[in-house]
Amino acid sequence: EAQVTQNPRYLITVTGKKLTVTCSQNMNHEYMSWYRQDPGLGLRQIYYSMNVEVTDKGDVPEGYKVSRKEKRNFPLILESPSPNQTSLYFCASSWDRAEGYTFGSGTRLTVV
Amino acid sequence: DAKTTQPPSMDCAEGRAANLPCNHSTISGNEYVYWYRQIHSQGPQYIIHGLKNNETNEMASLIITEDRKSSTLILPHATLRDTAVYYCIVRADYSGGGADGLTFGKGTHLIIQP
Repeated sequence: EAQVTQNPRYLITVTGKKLTVTCSQNMNHEYMSWYRQDPGLGLRQIYYSMNVEVTDKGDVPEGYKVSRKEKRNFPLILESPSPNQTSLYFCASSWDRAEGYTFGSGTRLTVV
Repeated sequence: DAKTTQPPSMDCAEGRAANLPCNHSTISGNEYVYWYRQIHSQGPQYIIHGLKNNETNEMASLIITEDRKSSTLILPHATLRDTAVYYCIVRADYSGGGADGLTFGKGTHLIIQP
C-alpha cells in the first residue's frame, strides 16, 4: 500500500532532550515536507526537500533540523525541544511540488 | 499565493451532492486550485486540483469559473465519512526557493447529516 509512515504516533518528552521523528514513504517520491498544526494557526510548513541532499526552510524552521540522505526517508530532528514545540506534526510527500501530497497519519508531540 | 475565502461550515444530507464553494478573486494565471480535506486530527487528504479546466476523479469534481475567480468542489453522493474540514488552496506551479508550503486556511467544516 502506498503510504507515508511516521513514527512515533505519540510522544511525550522533557525540555532539552533531543528527539527524532521519522518519516518514510514507499512511493519513490522526490518531494517531501514537514508541517506542524496548532489550534487557530492551521498547518504551517517547517522544512521541505526537493530531492536527496536538497533541503530548504519553510515558514517555521526555528528549532528544527532535517536530513535527506536517501529518497524514502526524511526525519525531523528537534535538538533541544521546548514546550512551544508541542504540536501535531505531519510529514508529506509527492512526485513533485505541483502534484497532490500524500500525508502521514501525524505525530502528536508534547514537550513538558 | 492568492488568498481564498470559504464558508466556515456547511451541512449536506447523506446521499446528496455536496457543493463546496471557494472564492479566489486575486488568483494569478499560473496558480492552481487545490482541494484537500482533513478528518479530525488525521493527515490531510488530497482530493483534486486544476488550473482552468474542470476536473473529475474518483473522489470529486472541480468546477472552476471561466474568470477563475471562484471554484466549487462537488462530492457527488456524500456519505457520513465525508464529514471533514475541506481546504481550498491556491498555489503557483513553480518553486522560487524559500518557503513553498501549502497555505491551509480555516477551510469549510462539512457535516453530512444522516
